[in-house]
Amino acid sequence: EDKVVQSPLSLVVHEGDTVTLNCSYEVTNFRSLLWYKQEKKAPTFLFMLTSSGIEKKSGRLSSILDKKELFSILNITATQTGDSAIYLCAPLGGSARQLTFGSGTQLTVLP
Amino acid sequence: NAGVTQTPKFQVLKTGQSMTLQCAQDMNHEYMSWYRQDPGMGLRLIHYSVGAGITDQGEVPNGYNVSRSTTEDFPLRLLSAAPSQTSVYFCASSYGRRQSTDTQYFGPGTRLTVL
Repeated sequence: EDKVVQSPLSLVVHEGDTVTLNCSYEVTNFRSLLWYKQEKKAPTFLFMLTSSGIEKKSGRLSSILDKKELFSILNITATQTGDSAIYLCAPLGGSARQLTFGSGTQLTVLP
Repeated sequence: NAGVTQTPKFQVLKTGQSMTLQCAQDMNHEYMSWYRQDPGMGLRLIHYSVGAGITDQGEVPNGYNVSRSTTEDFPLRLLSAAPSQTSVYFCASSYGRRQSTDTQYFGPGTRLTVL
């Protein structure tokens, strides 16, 4: 059975802090791993990772994948209150090319 | 492009009623899927389609039907609503053919309450 575990489940930090969110996974026929940010609406796409060791960056956010150890991390530097959201990790695999979502990390950034 | 659209945004049903949640995309995506999101359980796949005329079950298909008569539309039918189907429903789509286009884009969601 495909499995995704995200940690921590929740995190409270102050503006300016750096955070690291973790995602470990077990999926059959792994193709890629996606990160999404969800505020009070639909998930919005952040990154797609397909190769180990290659960091993807977008502004203050970055992410990397380790296909040998089956995990990914999402880093956010110099956090802002607008970063407050649930961050979802979703490996894509299986015969259905389906996303299996973790339960997410709830990040709260205090001013 | 409007992207992925869903209607309605909110719906309240009584137990036993039936209804259809609509989903449409105008990006010529082959792959479409329905998820439900419940507190503490993340997003779970209900049904998916890899192209017009092809549908298959996801993780939690019971109580739901889908069809894909066109590339653009992927409606989700609740045959006899139950309180356990109270949830937020998201439709998503992706181009689907190549690994580089695996990114799934989500609609705004439908919040369904079954009394």
